[in-house]
Amino acid sequence: DTGVSQDPRHKITKRGQNVTFRCDPISEHNRLYWYRQTLGQGPEFLTYFQNEAQLEKSRLLSDRFSAERPKGSFSTLEIQRTEQGDSAMYLCASSWGGGEKLFFGSGTQLSVL
Amino acid sequence: QKEVEQNSGPLSVPEGAIASLNCTYSDRGSQSFFWYRQYSGKSPELIMFIYSNGDKEDGRFTAQLNKASQYVSLLIRDSQPSDSATYLCAVSTWGKLQFGAGTQVVVTP
Repeated sequence: DTGVSQDPRHKITKRGQNVTFRCDPISEHNRLYWYRQTLGQGPEFLTYFQNEAQLEKSRLLSDRFSAERPKGSFSTLEIQRTEQGDSAMYLCASSWGGGEKLFFGSGTQLSVL
Repeated sequence: QKEVEQNSGPLSVPEGAIASLNCTYSDRGSQSFFWYRQYSGKSPELIMFIYSNGDKEDGRFTAQLNKASQYVSLLIRDSQPSDSATYLCAVSTWGKLQFGAGTQVVVTP
């Protein structure tokens, strides 16, 4: 399968713990996006990369969130000192070139207790 | 004001009828427009995109764009039970997509 892959599918953590998610994009795609989605809402933009460069980070994104894409392939999203409000589905998507036809992974469902 | 607005629904449509979904956006600089379908518990799936004013048809789907009115719509003809899902409107501005909250469509037999 050559689609976007995310790991883990589900993560349950206690408030205050750190969590890290991984995304493997479609191999020929150079852009990678992170979104967050809560129930009844559309995906909310967090950040995106072109190759290894992080081009934009949402102003709404707390300093507790950090993302990397060190070799322009897979990406990680880390949340430090998790809060209950961080509970959401974290979606990764990739695209080719400057196009915005995003292909989404299955997401990581985070529950903070 | 939200950047991308959609009626949340649910929009109830009899099987075989036309479902009409609407979306408005606030940024006049937006360049590209997309419709994604999202089944419950699944991730969004791209079904249509449109860049120019007018209509674009793909199978049972037609997307309509009016940049002057900042309005995008999606028509689903001959609605089927498998079309029951949430439809997300997405607008691209400078390389990133902003999504609306989605319209839930329920196709009734």
